[in-house]
Amino acid sequence: AQRVTQPEKLLSVFKGAPVELKCNYSYSGSPELFWYVQYSRQRLQLLLRHISRESIKGFTADLNKGETSFHLKKPFAQEEDSAMYYCALKQGAQKLVFGQGTRLTINP
Amino acid sequence: GAGVSQSPSNKVTEKGKDVELRCDPISGHTALYWYRQSLGQGLEFLIYFQGNSAPDKSGLPSDRFSAERTGGSVSTLTIQRTQQEDSAVYLCASSSSMGFSYEQYFGPGTRLTVT
Repeated sequence: AQRVTQPEKLLSVFKGAPVELKCNYSYSGSPELFWYVQYSRQRLQLLLRHISRESIKGFTADLNKGETSFHLKKPFAQEEDSAMYYCALKQGAQKLVFGQGTRLTINP
Repeated sequence: GAGVSQSPSNKVTEKGKDVELRCDPISGHTALYWYRQSLGQGLEFLIYFQGNSAPDKSGLPSDRFSAERTGGSVSTLTIQRTQQEDSAVYLCASSSSMGFSYEQYFGPGTRLTVT
């Protein structure tokens, strides 16, 4: 079964510290993965997609097929990064399977 | 242009009553999705409409839940005989089949509270 696992429900780091949000997936084919973010009182929105190999707001995520992981990283956390983060795996033509989410809190 | 809109933004209902939640997708988006977001459960897929194809209902938790999409645009999610465990935020999203990544655009959600 296709599944996305985010092992940490809560993650708290200090401003300026590195942050890593973990995501593991199970998928038999060639995976297409995304990170979505929901800031306080805002809509859930796409942060980045692995296929674009982009850096958004200082965040990057590398697909590691050997470890079946797609961890989200940022070298220096900022207070405005505090949000709920969801890892998602594309299933079929357009459907997404989401992980349970990680609530990231950046402490001043 | 306008994003995905949902109504109502909040709904409080008594256990056993039926509720209807509405979603207006982005104009021209062929795909529409319903999700349920609840504490401890993350984002749970409910149902997916793609153009004129039969909807993917694999995520609906029980036969009390149903959804329709009229004219390939507006969608209504209906929950019959609501239970307290139905309390959650119901999110709608839409996406276009154009492009390669099929980004989903989410609405603000409807917060349903069943008392």
